[in-house]
Amino acid sequence: GDSVTQMEGPVTLSEEACLTINCTYTATGYPSLFWYVQYPGEGLQLLLKATKADDKGSNKGFEATYRKETTSFHLEKGSVQVSDSAVYFCALRATGNQFYFGTGTSLTVIP
Amino acid sequence: GAGVSQSPSNKVTEKGKDVELRCDPISGHTALYWYRQSLGQGLEFLIYFQGNSAPDKSGLPSDRFSAERTGGSVSTLTIQRTQQEDSAVYLCASSLASGSYNEQFFGPGTRLTVL
Repeated sequence: GDSVTQMEGPVTLSEEACLTINCTYTATGYPSLFWYVQYPGEGLQLLLKATKADDKGSNKGFEATYRKETTSFHLEKGSVQVSDSAVYFCALRATGNQFYFGTGTSLTVIP
Repeated sequence: GAGVSQSPSNKVTEKGKDVELRCDPISGHTALYWYRQSLGQGLEFLIYFQGNSAPDKSGLPSDRFSAERTGGSVSTLTIQRTQQEDSAVYLCASSLASGSYNEQFFGPGTRLTVL
């Protein structure tokens, strides 16, 4: 069945370091892919999305490219800030409209 | 416009009691989802409603859990005879049904504590 496998955390980085959080997926058909973020004490909110192969989603300095050949959607940021500290969830929406989430990766950025 | 709302925001109950959690989706969203998020864990899918179709209940952990959606809008998740392991944040999300590119919008969640 459809699923998402996400890099285990927690991840701790110094401010201005580069970030990559790996996400791979298994799906039939042509899913859309999403990254959601949950800041401390807040609800989940959409960070970025990509709806077809080779699309790049971007927001707040974060990017992720939909790679069909490697079934991946890795989240990247060139220079993280303390305010990026949060839990990040990779997700896919299958053709049947069901969503599948990864287990989440906790990121802490230290000054 | 208004987002997804959930009530109550916090619920403390005694073991063995029944609880009802409510979700108001975004107007016009025909897809509605319930998830459970335990401390330090990811999202556990519970149930999914799509328009007037039969719901996908495959994620409900036991027959103590049930949900309904009246009039294609408001949904209620009911947990009967609550147990301590039911303590978690229960999240509701809604989405436009058509088009796989439509994302989910999440409510703030209901934090359930079973004593």
